[in-house]
Amino acid sequence: NAGVTQTPKFRVLKTGQSMTLLCAQDMNHEYMYWYRQDPGMGLRLIHYSVGEGTTAKGEVPDGYNVSRLKKQNFLLGLESAAPSQTSVYFCASSPGTASSGANVLTFGAGSRLTVL
Amino acid sequence: AQSVAQPEDQVNVAEGNPLTVKCTYSVSGNPYLFWYVQYPNRGLQFLLKYITGDNLVKGSYGFEAEFNKSQTSFHLKKPSALVSDSALYFCAVRGDLNSGGYQKVTFGIGTKLQVIP
Repeated sequence: NAGVTQTPKFRVLKTGQSMTLLCAQDMNHEYMYWYRQDPGMGLRLIHYSVGEGTTAKGEVPDGYNVSRLKKQNFLLGLESAAPSQTSVYFCASSPGTASSGANVLTFGAGSRLTVL
Repeated sequence: AQSVAQPEDQVNVAEGNPLTVKCTYSVSGNPYLFWYVQYPNRGLQFLLKYITGDNLVKGSYGFEAEFNKSQTSFHLKKPSALVSDSALYFCAVRGDLNSGGYQKVTFGIGTKLQVIP
């Protein structure tokens, strides 16, 4: 049981380039999330999804787009990367609200992105 | 807006001594409280949660946390620290569900725990 898998694990981009981070979960979770982690700022929610085909903005959505075409996948896109987007990105998932485990997030191992 | 405060950037404790990592929160409605641990170059792992019931919650690896409603705190504790407990610890809070059936989780900035041999 892989849990939450993120690809790629590392990536270096030049300013203005675009890229997509892929998150896949095999737990049949309804909810999925993208966070970024920066020193001294903890985890900040970028976007989230409460089900297939739905997405919503979190705390810091600017410069990012997401899609959830399939229940098990949640993609995070950077259309024109900026140095301020250098960060470690974490994907997470959780069951729907009807589940006893609804409140607990399962995280991926992270994707370290550097924008030069 | 809901928020979480972890007032200590780092906590140092000698191996075998009890440890406490502090967390206070602010949320409207009933709080759902969590502790997660992050080891170097890894994602966060769930330790324990408080939803309702007994104020003392027990979790993984011998950790426990005490919910104190009057002080809006949820401090993480362990009776005897191990060197392997050294990691980054995050407190998190979620408020009541909104009209859409969802309420996001807010994380603190994290506290680095260093257990000294």
